[in-house]
Amino acid sequence: GAGVSQSPSNKVTEKGKDVELRCDPISGHTALYWYRQSLGQGLEFLIYFQGNSAPDKSGLPSDRFSAERTGGSVSTLTIQRTQQEDSAVYLCASSGPSGNTIYFGEGSWLTVV
Amino acid sequence: AQTVTQSQPEMSVQEAETVTLSCTYDTSESDYYLFWYKQPPSRQMILVIRQEAYKQQNATENRFSVNFQKAAKSFSLKISDSQLGDAAMYFCAYRSARGGSNYKLTFGKGTLLTVNP
Repeated sequence: GAGVSQSPSNKVTEKGKDVELRCDPISGHTALYWYRQSLGQGLEFLIYFQGNSAPDKSGLPSDRFSAERTGGSVSTLTIQRTQQEDSAVYLCASSGPSGNTIYFGEGSWLTVV
Repeated sequence: AQTVTQSQPEMSVQEAETVTLSCTYDTSESDYYLFWYKQPPSRQMILVIRQEAYKQQNATENRFSVNFQKAAKSFSLKISDSQLGDAAMYFCAYRSARGGSNYKLTFGKGTLLTVNP
């Protein structure tokens, strides 16, 4: 596609349910990032994938959060047993191997009620 | 760890005027990249401008330019001839030039820019 595509755009879920957020990066981009943006806050790094290398999971806030990237392309961020504090916009980004320019999707707005 | 500080939570400017947004950062590295991103209400993060630390010349993109002061670790964004469409949240970001997981961006908390007609 022309840009980074994320789905769903908006998701309302009940506390305790699991959610999956999807990211389709720009074709040919080897690097993929997930960030979280809470209301009125900056962007918090969650996880980074680069090609076939082991992902950098250092930003995941708890073991309820996980992400995978299948075939070096599409990525899924999974949040298990959602809590109200998980409510945020989850932004995905991708870049080429050099990482010089990072392009963002429009985000998935998650609300946990 | 690198940190990025934007000391102005909010700024306002009159249409057609010039405004400067401040950003400072802390790093022990000598080679890195700095970015300004714009986030309008649509939430899309849009790259405004990029600066390579090894370049002394300040980056310019049309009405947007930066004042990069490496020794002072300062990276301000100047918007000339401000337009209503410039109204957005602006984020300053840092990225190491080293490889691997250092590729992740570290963001400041943002500056909300209002453009008054």
